[in-house]
Amino acid sequence: EPEVTQTPSHQVTQMGQEVILRCVPISNHLYFYWYRQILGQKVEFLVSFYNNEISEKSEIFDDQFSVERPDGSNFTLKIRSTKLEDSAMYFCASRVDSSSDTQYFGPGTRLTVL
Amino acid sequence: DAKTTQPPSMDCAEGRAANLPCNHSTISGNEYVYWYRQIHSQGPQYIIHGLKNNETNEMASLIITEDRKSSTLILPHATLRDTAVYYCIAHKGEKLTFGTGTRLTIIP
Repeated sequence: EPEVTQTPSHQVTQMGQEVILRCVPISNHLYFYWYRQILGQKVEFLVSFYNNEISEKSEIFDDQFSVERPDGSNFTLKIRSTKLEDSAMYFCASRVDSSSDTQYFGPGTRLTVL
Repeated sequence: DAKTTQPPSMDCAEGRAANLPCNHSTISGNEYVYWYRQIHSQGPQYIIHGLKNNETNEMASLIITEDRKSSTLILPHATLRDTAVYYCIAHKGEKLTFGTGTRLTIIP
């Protein structure tokens, strides 16, 4: 069964460094998402992406964040200058097309900012 | 997404049916009732969704009341691997809005 994959599973970085989290959505899906979950808190929406542009973003998704689909398979989340409070699980999700609202999630990347 | 209300925690004996309730009294006519679960810190796993009719798949059954103000997720024969946080989400469109869910513990 097709699934969303994410790499790395765990990323440790120093405060102020740039990180790129990678996702491979399900191959025929057209809509892509990033969510995050700070330890012990709710899963929060960050951004949605369709047709090579951001379709919706939350207040969390400020200028330090960017997303990109650099090729036909990868979907990335970049944090330019990490802060301690960016430490969280980051989940990628994808949705097939406008005929369905069902999003399928990847296993997540645990980001630890020291 | 409309607000949903779920009990914070529930226990269920292994092998029994787990019935997880959800209230969504302000759900809009075009919003679906979605259920996801999260095992430990893994990514949310889609379980089932429905609009008006009851639905069943290989994982679970979803019973939606006629007025659509509440629903129940049924895991027919719970196993230890069903221990997770279960999220009920009234959803249409882009972002999913997760609440705190119900922590379901399956007791051996």
